[in-house]
Amino acid sequence: NAGVTQTPKFRVLKTGQSMTLLCAQDMNHEYMYWYRQDPGMGLRLIHYSVGEGTTAKGEVPDGYNVSRLKKQNFLLGLESAAPSQTSVYFCASSFSARDRHNEQFFGPGTRLTVL
Amino acid sequence: DAKTTQPTSMDCAEGRAANLPCNHSTISGNEYVYWYRQIHSQGPQYIIHGLKNNETNEMASLIITEDRKSSTLILPHATLRDTAVYYCIVRVVYGNKLVFGAGTILRVKS
Repeated sequence: NAGVTQTPKFRVLKTGQSMTLLCAQDMNHEYMYWYRQDPGMGLRLIHYSVGEGTTAKGEVPDGYNVSRLKKQNFLLGLESAAPSQTSVYFCASSFSARDRHNEQFFGPGTRLTVL
Repeated sequence: DAKTTQPTSMDCAEGRAANLPCNHSTISGNEYVYWYRQIHSQGPQYIIHGLKNNETNEMASLIITEDRKSSTLILPHATLRDTAVYYCIVRVVYGNKLVFGAGTILRVKS
């Protein structure tokens, strides 16, 4: 099993450009999440999904959109990139919240620089 | 979810036990204590969680005080590979969000 994978690993954008980050998991998890991590800080939740076809806002959703068309994939979109969105983006997945353990499994991250 | 307070950084000698404290004085009765760690440039990794009883697994032990206002993560024999940022998080067990603070930077030195 590959676990949680993220594409791409690195990306440099110019201000105003758009892009989509792809997250894929092969563990049949119901829940998926997108976080961002700025230097010296903990992770902050952008958006999350509790199942195929559903999404919800997290702590810092502005400037991002997400889609969960397939259970195994969770896409994060930046419609018009800004320098403030320079960050490392982590995707995670977990079983349903009905699972008492509810451990989140994280991907390796995508390093995004917006010039 | 309740807030947590952790020291900014700690050092530990290789082979010794690393004891990482966490204060969570506003924890609610239905909130668990979770620990994750993040090795440089990698995604966070789950370590352990508990409610009120002490817990142990192959990675670590978790000691929660009787009043549940604080806890300690114990790595019994720290190695250089344990150098990482350790996050203490409290949350409702059926919740689906992890709220990360700044964590504790643990440096294991030879």
